[in-house]
Amino acid sequence: ETGVTQTPRHLVMGMTNKKSLKCEQHLGHNAMYWYKQSAKKPLELMFVYNFKEQTENNSVPSRFSPECPNSSHLFLHLHTLQPEDSALYLCASSHGTGDTEAFFGQGTRLTVV
Amino acid sequence: AQTVTQSQPEMSVQEAETVTLSCTYDTSESDYYLFWYKQPPSRQMILVIRQEAYKQQNATENRFSVNFQKAAKSFSLKISDSQLGDAAMYFCAYRGNDMRFGAGTRLTVKP
Repeated sequence: ETGVTQTPRHLVMGMTNKKSLKCEQHLGHNAMYWYKQSAKKPLELMFVYNFKEQTENNSVPSRFSPECPNSSHLFLHLHTLQPEDSALYLCASSHGTGDTEAFFGQGTRLTVV
Repeated sequence: AQTVTQSQPEMSVQEAETVTLSCTYDTSESDYYLFWYKQPPSRQMILVIRQEAYKQQNATENRFSVNFQKAAKSFSLKISDSQLGDAAMYFCAYRGNDMRFGAGTRLTVKP
């Protein structure tokens, strides 16, 4: 256990559905991240939040909408996704966005049908 | 932009033997950190070892050690006395202004 919890572990959704992924950490970290992990591709950094403020958005389509209500919680709201969005979505946190390693959750396996 | 390259999609090692996983990176930054993460079938990414770029000494964590060649921008991971539990995906990661990962190397350990 790394102290970063993601729910749900698995999610199947239709292209017209709206769903949300949740990430929670009680490690006292200030930075939280969303990554997308597709087969045989490098992890793709999607969003970075530092002290609840979004500091990075790596050209992610607007059908992905992050929300960070506080330093311990991070959401990824999904709507009108495409089949190519099927992937493992990993949440991570760290003390800051500088020199420390990130701690990862177990991910949400998303399948868009 | 920083890129991280792992040129070995798959590697295999006999139990108790030694294996080296390769990683190269490209950056124009002078201060950065490098990491190796392990992702077992449980999907939990676990930090294996970290290296500060300003340190010349190679990091070591028990059976895991790195060969950090800053000029060559190379950061390989050596696993000694391989165990069945070492079987996993291994990701090399670079942290400078942001954090970038390689595509991963799948390590199989044969009994």
